[in-house]
Amino acid sequence: EADIYQTPRYLVIGTGKKITLECSQTMGHDKMYWYQQDPGMELHLIHYSYGVNSTEKGDLSSESTVSRIRTEHFPLTLESARPSHTSQYLCASSDPGSYNEQFFGPGTRLTVL
Amino acid sequence: GEDVEQSLFLSVREGDSSVINCTYTDSSSTYLYWYKQEPGAGLQLLTYIFSNMDMKQDQRLTVLLNKKDKHLSLRIADTQTGDSAIYFCAERSPGSARQLTFGSGTQLTVLP
Repeated sequence: EADIYQTPRYLVIGTGKKITLECSQTMGHDKMYWYQQDPGMELHLIHYSYGVNSTEKGDLSSESTVSRIRTEHFPLTLESARPSHTSQYLCASSDPGSYNEQFFGPGTRLTVL
Repeated sequence: GEDVEQSLFLSVREGDSSVINCTYTDSSSTYLYWYKQEPGAGLQLLTYIFSNMDMKQDQRLTVLLNKKDKHLSLRIADTQTGDSAIYFCAERSPGSARQLTFGSGTQLTVLP
């Protein structure tokens, strides 16, 4: 069973609010990822990190930002949420020494009113 | 560039076999994966296959890989209602910073 956690699981907020989605893993993985999942199911990589102090933007442009100050923690922040940010956000981590299985958290479903 | 495609929906009767298909474009893919996503949850790795293999079987799951046609399939034998979920195909490309490219997912519905 994967030890990767996301909080909150569900969040409903108003436009303009600043929010932080939390992601933590206890597996000691260096690589971590954030995906945005469309209502139509497709996954889009928005951020990834290869280790502490390493962050890169993914394929899908996102107004969110991430930080990686500790190996186990990879939070995602939206400075000013908008309705277009309504989506499911999935965090994942992987071990480069394995067959690169990505372990996923349960996701945060964000609704911006 | 890399691209992974799947059909969006599949319905089967309980007890029948399900076959979910996937095509990919990157011939240098080293591993190919099948993930399962149940409602309200994250993705869970079901199985994977290394690119030098043609077939892999794991209990009710059979993965077939046709490298020439860049075609991957997942067969679920004796499909149960608990198998209803979204199934994602993914590939790993050695030169990609993203490392995994996911398909759009196939929604499998198992009818009683």
